[in-house]
Amino acid sequence: EDQVTQSPEALRLQEGESSSLNCSYTVSGLRGLFWYRQDPGKGPEFLFTLYSAGEEKEKERLKATLTKKESFLHITAPKPEDSATYLCAVQDLTDSWGKLQFGAGTQVVVTP
Amino acid sequence: DADVTQTPRNRITKTGKRIMLECSQTKGHDRMYWYRQDPGLGLQLIYYSFDVKDINKGEISDGYSVSRQAQAKFSLSLESAIPNQTALYFCATSDPTSGSPGELFFGEGSRLTVL
Repeated sequence: EDQVTQSPEALRLQEGESSSLNCSYTVSGLRGLFWYRQDPGKGPEFLFTLYSAGEEKEKERLKATLTKKESFLHITAPKPEDSATYLCAVQDLTDSWGKLQFGAGTQVVVTP
Repeated sequence: DADVTQTPRNRITKTGKRIMLECSQTKGHDRMYWYRQDPGLGLQLIYYSFDVKDINKGEISDGYSVSRQAQAKFSLSLESAIPNQTALYFCATSDPTSGSPGELFFGEGSRLTVL
């Protein structure tokens, strides 16, 4: 059974204090790993797709990396507007219907 | 206007009542999904549909039913609501022919409380 575990559950950062979020996963085969951002009272918003170990994607202060067992979301010099819950999800290689297995998320708070 | 619209945004109901959550989209996507989100848990897939004639159960479909009235409309029903169905419900769409197959477009959610 596919499993996705995110850590830490919550992270409080000072503005400018870089950090990393972890997403460890167990799948029989990985079709893709996805990062989403969710603001309070909103639906998740897609950030990145990673397909294979060694792949990296960047967007502004966010950088996602992938190994065979985990993914990291690095937040460099965060700003208060980066405060959100970050969700990780995986799609099994046997699935072609877009069925994702989500982790519980990491809630990030960035204070000025 | 939002591309994926959910109604109602908030609903409080009583045990045993029938509830319908509605979702409409203007993205032109064939694939639509209903997810449930509980605090401390990941999003869980309830039902998914790839066109009007194709509806499939997700991992937690018991106690729920759906209707795909048109390409743009996908409704979730709770025939007899119970308190442990209190949760935040999200509708989502995707287009597997463009970009990433795992890129879902979510609505803003429907918060349901069952007393």
